[in-house]
Amino acid sequence: GAVVSQHPSWVICKSGTSVKIECRSLDFQATTMFWYRQFPKQSLMLMATSNEGSKATYEQGVEKDKFLINHASLTLSTLTVTSAHPEDSSFYICSASRQGQETQYFGPGTRLLVL
Amino acid sequence: LAKTTQPISMDSYEGQEVNITCSHNNIATNDYITWYQQFPSQGPRFIIQGYKTKVTNEVASLFIPADRKSSTLSLPRVSLSDTAVYYCLVGDNNNDMRFGAGTRLTVKP
Repeated sequence: GAVVSQHPSWVICKSGTSVKIECRSLDFQATTMFWYRQFPKQSLMLMATSNEGSKATYEQGVEKDKFLINHASLTLSTLTVTSAHPEDSSFYICSASRQGQETQYFGPGTRLLVL
Repeated sequence: LAKTTQPISMDSYEGQEVNITCSHNNIATNDYITWYQQFPSQGPRFIIQGYKTKVTNEVASLFIPADRKSSTLSLPRVSLSDTAVYYCLVGDNNNDMRFGAGTRLTVKP
């Protein structure tokens, strides 16, 4: 199998606080992990691509200082939303892929609500 | 910009075969074609992947013509639980894997 988990599944926080979301590949080593954001009734928007041990590559328009991504091991990547604001409220989804393979396996997503 | 174009929505009835076509006119030589299914408030689920001709697994078939400028996902005998959004992606080694708008399939009883 290829199972990807995310934690937490949902989080509510106050404006101005930081929130960390974890993405883990449970039964395979993920050389590449991706972070997406999805607003209601919209498609997934790629935020950044991260390779283990390297700095993440951010998509145009995504603030790297606001969305901190760390991919310190082959099974774990984290996304930290710093100084969150209500407009950051969204559904955040990670995916992971094995080295040399074309398929991405997605996590279940994390619902973030910033009050 | 997404590399793919799909119909925004489709309706079907239980037990029918559903075919969803995706256009990818600028597909690159090394790109694979991958289809995902997404239910509300869940991450996308892998359905099928192919490079050329036809691929079949336990849940779907994928038809890719010789020019690879389009592909068709075929779902045999759909049920109500197949109501979801279906995304077609093209990419190479997981680079540049951007989602298009997807196709919202509604299966009616």
